[in-house]
Amino acid sequence: EPEVTQTPSHQVTQMGQEVILRCVPISNHLYFYWYRQILGQKVEFLVSFYNNEISEKSEIFDDQFSVERPDGSNFTLKIRSTKLEDSAMYFCASSVAGKFYEQYFGPGTRLTVT
Amino acid sequence: AQSVAQPEDQVNVAEGNPLTVKCTYSVSGNPYLFWYVQYPNRGLQFLLKYITGDNLVKGSYGFEAEFNKSQTSFHLKKPSALVSDSALYFCAVSDNTNAGKSTFGDGTTLTVKP
Repeated sequence: EPEVTQTPSHQVTQMGQEVILRCVPISNHLYFYWYRQILGQKVEFLVSFYNNEISEKSEIFDDQFSVERPDGSNFTLKIRSTKLEDSAMYFCASSVAGKFYEQYFGPGTRLTVT
Repeated sequence: AQSVAQPEDQVNVAEGNPLTVKCTYSVSGNPYLFWYVQYPNRGLQFLLKYITGDNLVKGSYGFEAEFNKSQTSFHLKKPSALVSDSALYFCAVSDNTNAGKSTFGDGTTLTVKP
């Protein structure tokens, strides 16, 4: 069964550094999402993306965040200048057209900012 | 705006006993409801969903959930709990708009004791 994959599984970075988290959505999916889960807390929506544009973003998704689909398969989340509070698990998800609600989640990338 | 409430932070049951993890939701249109399970240091695993049709939906690992429109609830149930069911459970609601973002509850930690 097709799966969403994410790399790396764990990323450690120093405060102020830029990080790029990568996701490969399911191949026929057209809608892409990033969610964040701070350790021990609930999963929070960050952004949705369709047709090379952001569809919706939360208040968490400020100017230090950006998303991109650089080629036909990858979907990336960039954090320009990481802060300690960016330490979290980041989940990518994707869905097919017409079934936006049915999102398939990747295994997550644990980001640790030191 | 959509929201999800999981009123219990923690649920404790004895192995072999039935379990219920509660979830109530608020959404303006038709609700699309999901349950996910998360084991320590792991990603989100999809358990089951309600989109339309029968109010009782069956999912993975023997879990089921009942959609109750009048009570706006979607409680997760299992007739006989296993120690291996111990994990963090999230209820989520989504909509079928272009954004399609999922809103998660705070999570309920289920502990099944032998």
